[in-house]
Amino acid sequence: DIQMTQSPSTLSASVGDRVTITCRASQSISVWLAWYQHNPGRAPKLLIYKASSLEIGVPPRFSGSGAGTEFTLTISSLQPDDFATYYCQQYNSSPWTFGQGTKVEI
Amino acid sequence: QVQLQESGPGLVNPSETLSLTCIVSGSIVHYYWTWFRQSPGKGLEYIGYIHHTGTTDYNPSLKSRITMSVDTSKNQFSLKLTSVTAADTAVYYCASDRGSGYSDYWGQGILVTVSS
Repeated sequence: DIQMTQSPSTLSASVGDRVTITCRASQSISVWLAWYQHNPGRAPKLLIYKASSLEIGVPPRFSGSGAGTEFTLTISSLQPDDFATYYCQQYNSSPWTFGQGTKVEI
Repeated sequence: QVQLQESGPGLVNPSETLSLTCIVSGSIVHYYWTWFRQSPGKGLEYIGYIHHTGTTDYNPSLKSRITMSVDTSKNQFSLKLTSVTAADTAVYYCASDRGSGYSDYWGQGILVTVSS
């Protein structure tokens, strides 16, 4: 299985901050990476697919980049609704695997 | 827009079978229907998917215990996980996948506890 490693595990930030989360794959996954936002008790929300493509309806303050084994999710100006846990997921090869999550907290 | 809702028992006895259903609002055709789970304090785990044609892909770590099915007449799909243990205690999510491998819509999740 492809191992996905996110950093940091927890990130403390304030409204308006620029935030960057990193995801590394144990082998190349080309651009087959998605990012999700998750709040407890709610459905996970797709933010980014194919490493950098913004899902319809997702605010443009979210952006993704990277290819191969290293990827980043950037939130350009953190908003109150953005305090959540973020997960990366590779879909280059089954079984799909996720990073352990990055909790963005105040 | 697709909406999904998981249903099933919240408590299952050890060694028994966990059975969950996901009801889909919207067309069940043309999508791959996926199950994930998240154990307490852990990350998300892919369980597998089923296409409306019956094609499946199961996580090898669970493959021997999983059966997925789809009922297009009822717009729902199901997961059965046999011989459960406490390690199968988790929030189970159903989700839709257009065939690319990422999931664009998710249910809110259902907590299933394995305990006697």
